[in-house]
Amino acid sequence: QVQLVQSGADVKKPGASVKVSCEASGFTFTSYSINWVRQASGQGLEWMGWMNPNSGDSGSAPKFQGRVTFTRNTSISTAYMELSNLRSEDSAVYFCARRLTGGLYYFNYWGQGTLLTVSS
Amino acid sequence: DIQMTQSPSSVSASVGDRVTITCRASQGINSWLAWYQQKPGKAPKLLIYAATTLESGVPSRFSGSGSGTDFTLTISSLQPEDFATYYCQQANSFPFTFGPGTKVDIK
Repeated sequence: QVQLVQSGADVKKPGASVKVSCEASGFTFTSYSINWVRQASGQGLEWMGWMNPNSGDSGSAPKFQGRVTFTRNTSISTAYMELSNLRSEDSAVYFCARRLTGGLYYFNYWGQGTLLTVSS
Repeated sequence: DIQMTQSPSSVSASVGDRVTITCRASQGINSWLAWYQQKPGKAPKLLIYAATTLESGVPSRFSGSGSGTDFTLTISSLQPEDFATYYCQQANSFPFTFGPGTKVDIK
């Protein structure tokens, strides 16, 4: 069965960087775009960007451009999201999500979420 | 960016009730719209995509309608497991955006 398993919770200081991993199983990793969505406590969902695991191509929402990097390691079917220059407003749960078959930007498989706390 | 709004922000309902949630896009998005259900501490679950297509395994009491800027999610007969927060998401153009959510709780 399709699974996305994310790395554990993390605590960072303002100005630091964080790298969250998302290990995929149950499907061909290079065939589906991986997207990242975050959710601050008690708040709504915010799409951050996407990565094509086959080509390595990626794109991010304008809000995150220059601060977020999406990478992958195809040998271990793992996608990564790195966010730099962290501030308190980046405290949130970060989800990776797989697109539907057919290239549509709807997300039918999600990781369990990674809680990031940014605090001095 | 396309702004998504939802109404109501919360609704109190009883088991067996019909519940309707509305989502509006700030510009036309054709039928590029999805609905998700999220329970506390869990990842969102895709219910409907392309405005009207039921995701595999989702009960038929969920249905979606609309196109352009106005969309609706309907739960025909609310079940205990349906108490959750519901989000719409536009997939028409980058950056993809979600509505603020509608919380369905027990009356």
